[in-house]
Amino acid sequence: DIQMTQSPSSLSASVGDRVTITCRASQGISNYLAWYQQKPGKSPDLLIYAASTLRSGVPSRFSGSGSGTDFTLTISGLQPEDVATYYCQKYYSAPLTFGGGTKVEI
Amino acid sequence: EVHLVESGGDLVQPGGSLGLSCVASGFIFSGYPMTWVRQAPGKGLEWVSTISGSGVSTYYADSVKGRFTISRDDAKSTLYLQMNSLRVEDTAVYYCARTASLWFGELNWFDPWGQGTLVTVSS
Repeated sequence: DIQMTQSPSSLSASVGDRVTITCRASQGISNYLAWYQQKPGKSPDLLIYAASTLRSGVPSRFSGSGSGTDFTLTISGLQPEDVATYYCQKYYSAPLTFGGGTKVEI
Repeated sequence: EVHLVESGGDLVQPGGSLGLSCVASGFIFSGYPMTWVRQAPGKGLEWVSTISGSGVSTYYADSVKGRFTISRDDAKSTLYLQMNSLRVEDTAVYYCARTASLWFGELNWFDPWGQGTLVTVSS
């Protein structure tokens, strides 16, 4: 099975900072990667799919990049409402694996 | 607006059974694969099971294979998860999620998610 490893597991940044979260797959997954945001006490929301395609309605400060085994989620200009845990997820084949999550605080 | 509402979560003893439901609205239910994802208290997300839009194909995580059964009733726009032989480690919030349907299959990303229903397995 393909394992997904996120780093860091948590981070603290200031409002306006550029934040980068990394997700690494144990094998190549092309661009079959999604990113989710889960705010405290809420269900997850889709941010990005196909590694870099922004879901409609998601603020443009969020962006994704990567292909193969290494992927990045970037928040360009952190906002207070971005406090959340972020998860990557590989798809296309079973099992559909999530990364361990990255908790973002201000 | 797309809306998913789970129900059926409860406290159950180890070895017991429980059935979850997820009622969908705001989209053509039969046109989409559907998925169950769970989250143990304070932990990350774990994919549980996916069913194709036709209901013909089903997929399970190894941790639940042989114990859980996913099904759907398109006439009722409802997704189900029958959970048997429950273990303490099955304790989690269970989310249903609409799954993207692409040319290469039904194992894709999830959007949107329901609010979740809590299953607690304890004696």
